[in-house]
Amino acid sequence: EVQVVESGGGLVQPGESLRLSCAASGFSVSRSWMHWVRQVPGKGLQWVSRMNIDGRVTNYAASVKGRFTISRDNAKNTLYLQMNSLRADDTAVYYCARDFGGPNDDWGQGTLVTVSS
Amino acid sequence: QSVLTQPPSASGTPGQRVTISCSGSSSNIGNDYVYWYQQLPGTAPRLLIYKNNQRPSGVPDRFSGSKSGTSASLAISGLRSEDEADYYCVGWDASLSGYVFGTGTQVTVL
Repeated sequence: EVQVVESGGGLVQPGESLRLSCAASGFSVSRSWMHWVRQVPGKGLQWVSRMNIDGRVTNYAASVKGRFTISRDNAKNTLYLQMNSLRADDTAVYYCARDFGGPNDDWGQGTLVTVSS
Repeated sequence: QSVLTQPPSASGTPGQRVTISCSGSSSNIGNDYVYWYQQLPGTAPRLLIYKNNQRPSGVPDRFSGSKSGTSASLAISGLRSEDEADYYCVGWDASLSGYVFGTGTQVTVL
């Protein structure tokens, strides 16, 4: 059974860092396009970042470029999102997704990140 | 910062057909595929349509997608109470080198 489980969310102050994890089971992150998408509670969806199958291509939304870094650990079958210089407008539920927009599209239940002083 | 525009709401009675529009530009919808997601309250989004008009396994054929030029639409036929949800279109934007979501449409079954 395919499962995607995010963790690492929490309350941080502006300017601080946080690393989100996305543990995958039932498939390999090294054989899938992996994405991060976020949603401010009560608001719409925003795509954040993606990594391609060989891990050499990454893309970021303009609002997080230079502050966020997507990476993965194939041995742990886990995707990460390192978030630095966090701002209040980064407050959101962060979802991890496999094969976003594809026939094997699978999402986790999300992890809440709150940036507040 | 959504660059894809959707109507904020749509509604219909059970059994009716509801259509949701998604308007973009030549750098996104006009240049690549459109995808549609359904999000029920308190849950993660679920893919309904990929590559403009393809349905993933398990999605009822009551849901259909189409695209023309820089616009796309999602149709729900035979509306059911369980279709009450938020619906989002999304596409790749070549000028931004990233995916862009629509503003979202809340569907209400009267």
